[in-house]
Amino acid sequence: GEDVEQSLFLSVREGDSSVINCTYTDSSSTYLYWYKQEPGAGLQLLTYIFSNMDMKQDQRLTVLLNKKDKHLSLRIADTQTGDSAIYFCAENSNYQLIWGAGTKLIIKP
Amino acid sequence: EAGVAQSPRYKIIEKRQSVAFWCNPISGHATLYWYQQILGQGPKLLIQFQNNGVVDDSQLPKDRFSAERLKGVDSTLKIQPAKLEDSAVYLCASSPLAGVSYNEQFFGPGTRLTVL
Repeated sequence: GEDVEQSLFLSVREGDSSVINCTYTDSSSTYLYWYKQEPGAGLQLLTYIFSNMDMKQDQRLTVLLNKKDKHLSLRIADTQTGDSAIYFCAENSNYQLIWGAGTKLIIKP
Repeated sequence: EAGVAQSPRYKIIEKRQSVAFWCNPISGHATLYWYQQILGQGPKLLIQFQNNGVVDDSQLPKDRFSAERLKGVDSTLKIQPAKLEDSAVYLCASSPLAGVSYNEQFFGPGTRLTVL
């Protein structure tokens, strides 16, 4: 069955880099997404990557895609307290989004 | 541009009662989604509309859940009767197109339902 997997928690020190990992299942997924959910707020698209790319960089965010291993990662450079949130990985399968359970990013001062 | 609106933001009911949620998508968005998000899990799609037609409702518990999209714009999701396991956040999302690979969905703030 379809299953997108992520670690539930990640704790990093302020100023360090955060790396959130995800494995997905549908090798035909054309787009993969990272959404951010802050407390009391809706899900917000953070970034996405097209399946023919290995890497995408957008300011402090770097997305890496390994299609062979069906592995996706999100790196946040210079992590700030405002980055505290739950990060969801999602794959586009049959024109629907299949979601992971989310990784809660905890920032230590 | 106004975002996706949902109401109410919070609702507490007793089991076996009924409840309804309302969603107003972004103007012009053809596709509307209702998701159920249980604490500690990712969103689970309940139903997807394109304009006022249902595209996918395979995960909607039809014995107690119903949804409609009025005139292809606003939508309501109803639970009747509610069970304890329905306690969750109900998210509404919209996107401009359907049936395309790139599918950015815009989410509302959600309605947090507690069933006692």
